[in-house]
Amino acid sequence: ELKVEQNPLFLSMQEGKNYTIYCNYSTTSDRLYWYRQDPGKSLESLFVLLSNGAVKQEGRLMASLDTKARLSTLHITAAVHDLSATYFCAVVKETSGSRLTFGEGTQLTVNP
Amino acid sequence: EPEVTQTPSHQVTQMGQEVILRCVPISNHLYFYWYRQILGQKVEFLVSFYNNEISEKSEIFDDQFSVERPDGSNFTLKIRSTKLEDSAMYFCASSEPSSGNTIYFGEGSWLTVV
Repeated sequence: ELKVEQNPLFLSMQEGKNYTIYCNYSTTSDRLYWYRQDPGKSLESLFVLLSNGAVKQEGRLMASLDTKARLSTLHITAAVHDLSATYFCAVVKETSGSRLTFGEGTQLTVNP
Repeated sequence: EPEVTQTPSHQVTQMGQEVILRCVPISNHLYFYWYRQILGQKVEFLVSFYNNEISEKSEIFDDQFSVERPDGSNFTLKIRSTKLEDSAMYFCASSEPSSGNTIYFGEGSWLTVV
């Protein structure tokens, strides 16, 4: 059974600071996704990472993938209040078509 | 920008009643999915659908659940006899056929079973 673990689960940070969210998964995967969810809202796609060493950046967010370590990171640079949300990573197991297995989510609060 | 649309946004139903949740996937997408999220918990896969049939389903997707693509645009999830524990946000999603494409989620249908 594929397990996806995120840490931390809760993160409170000051504006302007940097931090990293970690996503570990238990079996080989060919795709990893990061999503953002605002309270009561849908899942907004942030990144799709397809290969070992993949790095993608959008604004203050940068995601990377290490398939050997089965680890993805979401790095936040100079956080702003608008980044407050819950961030999920989700993994597709190699043999499971397109079924996403989600982590528990990291609830990020950026304080002014 | 194209989007996945879902109706209703919120439904309250009595335990034991049948519920149909509707979705209109993005028009050129061929893979369709249902996920659910119980309040405060992570998102769970229910079922994927491709080429007019179920391609994969989870252990949650038991006999009380069914999916259908009744016409060229709609994709529905039916829950035959709702239980209290079916209360959740149900998300429809769709993607293009190529591996590695973004999976787009709808706004969700919040189901409350009383």
